[in-house]
Amino acid sequence: SQQGEEDPQALSIQEGENATMNCSYKTSINNLQWYRQNSGRGLVHLILIRSNEREKHSGRLRVTLDTSKKSSSLLITASRAADTASYFCATDARATDSWGKLQFGAGTQVVVTP
Amino acid sequence: NAGVMQNPRHLVRRRGQEARLRCSPMKGHSHVYWYRQLPEEGLKFMVYLQKENIIDESGMPKERFSAEFPKEGPSILRIQQVVRGDSAAYFCASSPRRADGEKLFFGSGTQLSVL
Repeated sequence: SQQGEEDPQALSIQEGENATMNCSYKTSINNLQWYRQNSGRGLVHLILIRSNEREKHSGRLRVTLDTSKKSSSLLITASRAADTASYFCATDARATDSWGKLQFGAGTQVVVTP
Repeated sequence: NAGVMQNPRHLVRRRGQEARLRCSPMKGHSHVYWYRQLPEEGLKFMVYLQKENIIDESGMPKERFSAEFPKEGPSILRIQQVVRGDSAAYFCASSPRRADGEKLFFGSGTQLSVL
């Protein structure tokens, strides 16, 4: 399996509900990022959490990081139809020459129905 | 400040032809990264360039693929003698500097279809 694997592969919820997705990785990291991709578009950066951080918030987003378990979670609260997208975690390996060489998982496809 | 611009948006090539994908980074960004996304998969790193230099090309196939980022003009990803397996979305990203915690700004991608 690849570095940065998201779970579940797909998630369908109704507006107002919370969406939680998880990401597991294999190697030591400097930081972990979450990106969103709308269908047929490029990725949009959502949030970055450093390896020495455990939790981070940004608006309706909450990210946790557990380096002992090599896992992260992304929570979207009070979801909206506009949150429909694929969500990817990406890791930046702990190596001096690895920045920008992000490793992405296959993503979680989230569908929010009105 | 325009975002990362990629063109063309869609590119159709027949097997054996050449594909040239262009990427203009955000203004003030001198670091460019190319990623490839196959259907139902995440992005895979291909190459990292800084003006006129290839910094890391560890994700590039050994043959037929090349990238450049000249002093003037956009970054170019060139695929020679395309095959059906090259069909994918190719994304370019840029950043203003190379530093820990620097997020990447992505373009909308070029969808390459090889017939």
